[in-house]
Amino acid sequence: ETGVTQTPRHLVMGMTNKKSLKCEQHLGHNAMYWYKQSAKKPLELMFVYSLEERVENNSVPSRFSPECPNSSHLFLHLHTLQPEDSALYLCASSQVVGQGGRGYTFGSGTRLTVV
Amino acid sequence: TQLLEQSPQFLSIQEGENLTVYCNSSSVFSSLQWYRQEPGEGPVLLVTVVTGGEVKKLKRLTFQFGDARKDSSLHITAAQPGDTGLYLCAGTPYSGAGSYQLTFGKGTKHSVIP
Repeated sequence: ETGVTQTPRHLVMGMTNKKSLKCEQHLGHNAMYWYKQSAKKPLELMFVYSLEERVENNSVPSRFSPECPNSSHLFLHLHTLQPEDSALYLCASSQVVGQGGRGYTFGSGTRLTVV
Repeated sequence: TQLLEQSPQFLSIQEGENLTVYCNSSSVFSSLQWYRQEPGEGPVLLVTVVTGGEVKKLKRLTFQFGDARKDSSLHITAAQPGDTGLYLCAGTPYSGAGSYQLTFGKGTKHSVIP
């Protein structure tokens, strides 16, 4: 496999559930990101990891918990979410953190619906 | 926070027509990128422009970076149904090393009617 792979593609969860989103990249990139895409809003950066170390957390509620066990894998653990958290969650990677000028490679996203 | 404004928000044209979408900011960016996103998929990088006044061509797509590096445009010639999608511009702030914020616009949703 190449590129950035996200699973699951679709997820419906209740507000009391605990679930995890998974992202895997086979590009040899050192930086990985979680973005949230809601209707009528720009992509919102949630978390940034560089070589498995979190380097940025954009005031994201604690009900979202990221984990980066190695430079190829990134998880987003979800618990006690709210309906307004329903969105497309995108994972991206880049060669080096902050090197936005060379472009990010995005996964296909996980469409999350909180009921 | 540097805001990227994209216009128009929505655009629907006939196959074969030309169109231009815009990305504007009051801030300076060291580079700007254009992505295309299809429904149910993630954004895919089309081009990166880094030099003020730069023009890049990718088949029927022409990208321009403003002289002051605050704006960019994407022109599509003879649009085809396969060009349908959400076009996003994204900029890297001109604030030196250590900035991780690739700022995105809201996008232009473009559809081509056969």
